[in-house]
Amino acid sequence: GNSVTQMEGPVTLSEEAFLTINCTYTATGYPSLFWYVQYPGEGLQLLLKATKADDKGSNKGFEATYRKETTSFHLEKGSVQVSDSAVYFCALSVTGNQFYFGTGTSLTVIP
Amino acid sequence: GAVVSQHPSRVICKSGTSVKIECRSLDFQATTMFWYRQFPKQSLMLMATSNEGSKATYEQGVEKDKFLINHASLTLSTLTVTSAHPEDSSFYICSARYPRTGVYEQYFGPGTRLTVT
Repeated sequence: GNSVTQMEGPVTLSEEAFLTINCTYTATGYPSLFWYVQYPGEGLQLLLKATKADDKGSNKGFEATYRKETTSFHLEKGSVQVSDSAVYFCALSVTGNQFYFGTGTSLTVIP
Repeated sequence: GAVVSQHPSRVICKSGTSVKIECRSLDFQATTMFWYRQFPKQSLMLMATSNEGSKATYEQGVEKDKFLINHASLTLSTLTVTSAHPEDSSFYICSARYPRTGVYEQYFGPGTRLTVT
């Protein structure tokens, strides 16, 4: 079946620290992979995506590389800011209809 | 581009009443929209897939008679929570699939916080 496993939070980092949020997946077929971010009280925003193996998605300093050999799509940022505090969801889709979300990882960045 | 709106953003209703939530794609046509429910500090649970001009497809365990979905146009889907009860209180989020072949993206609305008293 299709599923996404994310590292559990919450994660608390100091400003300018390096961020990694692990995400692994299982999928039937060839999935597209996504990271979404949810700020308090808001819906989800697409942060970045990758549609095939070895693709790197990047946006706002965040990066994630589609690793088929390890079935992973880890999110990284070299220097986090207070404004990055949010909940991050890893997701996959095989058909474009059904999306499978991880449980989300809450990130708090302290000054 | 690819903006999805929801209305209302928050609603409080009394137990036994019905509430309608609207989801609109503002700058693109969406033949397929999705409704999710999110409990506090949890992930999104897909409730149903809404297809323009046809009946919605509900996920297992979701009561179709309680959560009525109508997708009457290419830019609007509505979710009506009928005879709401306190256990229906939740954050409801819609999304719309971007209509580009091979592009599997969904754009999400800002969510609707429903509180049933």
